[in-house]
Amino acid sequence: VQLVESGGGLVRPGGSLRLSCAASGLTFTTAWMSWVRQAPGKGLEWVGRIKSKIDGETTDYAAPVKGIFTITRDDSKNMLFLQMNSLKTEDTAVYYCSTEDGRNWGQGTLVTVSS
Amino acid sequence: DIQMTQSPSSLSASVGDRVTITCRASQSISSYLNWHQQIPGKAPKVLIYGASTLKGGVPSRFSGSGSGTDFTLTISSLQPEDFATYYCQQSFSTPYTFGQGTKLEIK
Repeated sequence: VQLVESGGGLVRPGGSLRLSCAASGLTFTTAWMSWVRQAPGKGLEWVGRIKSKIDGETTDYAAPVKGIFTITRDDSKNMLFLQMNSLKTEDTAVYYCSTEDGRNWGQGTLVTVSS
Repeated sequence: DIQMTQSPSSLSASVGDRVTITCRASQSISSYLNWHQQIPGKAPKVLIYGASTLKGGVPSRFSGSGSGTDFTLTISSLQPEDFATYYCQQSFSTPYTFGQGTKLEIK
């Protein structure tokens, strides 16, 4: 299984960013997927998850990002996305995609929110 | 939300030592418990899932036990590459919360 994130970078407070995660080596169409983040020098924080299409493609989010971040997927391209709006300085972190069961992780992409 | 509490927060040990890290859930999570290892500057990787199942390729000196609310990760004989931070994570109900981490350092 290989998960490769991209799309991180520097963004101003209040801005938006879309992260991508390219998945291979797994049956993506049936995989439930998650995003996890890690602020500099801090621990791991679960961001949210999306179920497979056959299971309804429903999403769940952590309280700090609910209504602000949106997780989507494109099964035709084996891609997972994290749309982040209204970004705050406290959203600065390395963002990882993972399989929902936590057994596979990407290498992470750094998002820096700063003026 | 389910709170996950690890102890200790940090630990100094020597190569060859046996080490145990504990994780307590604020409510029963059955066996929906993962243990992750994170080396500085690297992505986390799972060592154990389902509380006691070793992921393929992980050395057998790692073992996990427990169910319900109390769990342990044991490293039977520390090797130099094991000095890292370890996190437990519950996958029983969302949000899938993590413990605060246990930093394992060389004595």
